[in-house]
Amino acid sequence: AQKVTQAQTEISVVEKEDVTLDCVYETRDTTYYLFWYKQPPSGELVFLIRRNSFDEQNEISGRYSWNFQKSTSSFNFTITASQVVDSAVYFCALSEAEGDYKLSFGAGTTVTVRA
Amino acid sequence: DGGITQSPKYLFRKEGQNVTLSCEQNLNHDAMYWYRQDPGQGLRLIYYSQIVNDFQKGDIAEGYSVSREKKESFPLTVTSAQKNPTAFYLCASSIFGLNTGELFFGEGSRLTVL
Repeated sequence: AQKVTQAQTEISVVEKEDVTLDCVYETRDTTYYLFWYKQPPSGELVFLIRRNSFDEQNEISGRYSWNFQKSTSSFNFTITASQVVDSAVYFCALSEAEGDYKLSFGAGTTVTVRA
Repeated sequence: DGGITQSPKYLFRKEGQNVTLSCEQNLNHDAMYWYRQDPGQGLRLIYYSQIVNDFQKGDIAEGYSVSREKKESFPLTVTSAQKNPTAFYLCASSIFGLNTGELFFGEGSRLTVL
């Protein structure tokens, strides 16, 4: 069963628009960790955020913000005032306490920001 | 600079040949991982190693082999038994397990079988 679902395959926006990436996860563990990674065209995945299941506070980092809602098993990611450099594939991922070394990735969402 | 180095970046292989992808890290991380990425799919775990001289199969280990003789090195061999080896391969490391921190990735190796 898919543990992480990113329903949006591709999103295309014009520069300065906001874009929200959806992530829904599935786990029976009470302790787990959620991640977002960015994969630019160069190929290397870049870590953006790690959140544990006990911390439901939303987080903002510059133009990036994350909305974690345990009630809906979602961990959505918003880019505010998008820029061309934000064009990349974004992955949501889940690590469960019982699989300490296993990270389950969603299929990714390709974001294209047009000038 | 500390990081993960993968080589080669591009590799072509004929069917029936084994190939080895190199992964070296100078982050002093205990754990290392190999992931496979196919178009339109997320990353899938091939093998991981928590410590030197020890490694475990991931979700898609068939047709692959690894070794972990040194802390900084975790090479992946794609054997002729791998039915569909054309893919993008990513190596990663973490300080310990994911409950204590995130993965750091290399730039990947793209393998094409001719």
